[in-house]
Amino acid sequence: GENVEQHPSTLSVQEGDSAVIKCTYSDSASNYFPWYKQELGKGPQLIIDIRSNVGEKKDQRIAVTLNKTAKHFSLHITETQPEDSAVYFCAAISGTYKYIFGTGTRLKVLA
Amino acid sequence: SAVISQKPSRDICQRGTSLTIQCQVDSQVTMMFWYRQQPGQSLTLIATANQGSEATYESGFVIDKFPISRPNLTFSTLTVSNMSPEDSSIYLCSVTGLAGTDEQFFGPGTRLTVL
Repeated sequence: GENVEQHPSTLSVQEGDSAVIKCTYSDSASNYFPWYKQELGKGPQLIIDIRSNVGEKKDQRIAVTLNKTAKHFSLHITETQPEDSAVYFCAAISGTYKYIFGTGTRLKVLA
Repeated sequence: SAVISQKPSRDICQRGTSLTIQCQVDSQVTMMFWYRQQPGQSLTLIATANQGSEATYESGFVIDKFPISRPNLTFSTLTVSNMSPEDSSIYLCSVTGLAGTDEQFFGPGTRLTVL
């Protein structure tokens, strides 16, 4: 069945450094790739997404890249701040509304 | 995005009882979903709540254990029946179809502890 692998499971960075989280999907028909940030005690919040006809998308300090050939997509956070500390989930969607989520990355930004 | 609320936000329940969780959206949406998130884990889809018809359940989830209602385009309920400690989780509703898009937005979640 469809599968999304996410790495790393935990990531610690110094404040101001960059963080990169990578996901690999199995379904070549996947065409939409959102990223969610989940803070403690809250529901996941959509922070950025990319569609299969675009290779890169940027929104201030966050960016997402997509390599359709390799079935990889990545989240990049620059100039990290303590408030970026959270669990991040990637997801892949292929035509239906069924989202396949990655296993999550716990990001800790050290002040 | 939509404003999605869930009630209750948390509850502690006794084994063998049932709890109904409500999800309310501030605008009409195409689809509503219910997820379970066990401690430290990813999101697992329980079912798609269909307006006016029976919910569509994912493998491993059954209607007798997780009955779902969706009487209109802005409201859904999930009941966790005959609870056991293994049902302790966060239960999340989500929606898609706002303004014709496929973006999915989540509610704040209901944290359930079963003793």
